[in-house]
Amino acid sequence: AQKVTQAQTEISVVEKEDVTLDCVYETRDTTYYLFWYKQPPSGELVFLIRRNSFDEQNEISGRYSWNFQKSTSSFNFTITASQVVDSAVYFCALSEDNNDMRFGAGTRLTVKP
Amino acid sequence: DSGVTQTPKHLITATGQRVTLRCSPRSGDLSVYWYQQSLDQGLQFLIQYYNGEERAKGNILERFSAQQFPDLHSELNLSSLELGDSALYFCASSTWGGANYGYTFGSGTRLTVV
Repeated sequence: AQKVTQAQTEISVVEKEDVTLDCVYETRDTTYYLFWYKQPPSGELVFLIRRNSFDEQNEISGRYSWNFQKSTSSFNFTITASQVVDSAVYFCALSEDNNDMRFGAGTRLTVKP
Repeated sequence: DSGVTQTPKHLITATGQRVTLRCSPRSGDLSVYWYQQSLDQGLQFLIQYYNGEERAKGNILERFSAQQFPDLHSELNLSSLELGDSALYFCASSTWGGANYGYTFGSGTRLTVV
């Protein structure tokens, strides 16, 4: 069964626009962890954030912010005032049993100058 | 540099051949995870090792095998290669806490089967 759904395959914005990447997950566990990773054109996977299921506080880190809502099983990621360097594939992921992490299909973000 | 080292970075080989991908985890990390990233399948979990023992298996083909050595480096062996095995193979490591605490990924090995 699909555990993590990123419905947006590709998004294109113009520099300085705000953009939100959606992530919906499914789990039966009460304890779980959610993650976002960035994969720039160079190919490496870069960790952005980790959130546990008991902490629904939104988090802001510079131009990045994350909105975790258990009621809708969503963990959305917003980039404010996007920049060309934000162009990448972004992956949402879920860990339940501590043995592996399940990734969504990814959203390719293109920020045009 | 993430601290997770994967070699080689690129590999081109013919169908039917066998290759070995190598991963050295970040210092102090006991768990190693292997993932395959292909265009049509996304990031797929293959297998996890913890301190030399296999801990979890994902969608790993029977033609593929892995091991983790006493020095904690890991190797992923791919045999009887097919065109569809062309992909980016990532290794990741985590502390004793496991996947729940997040991974550090290596830069990947890009395998091309021709």
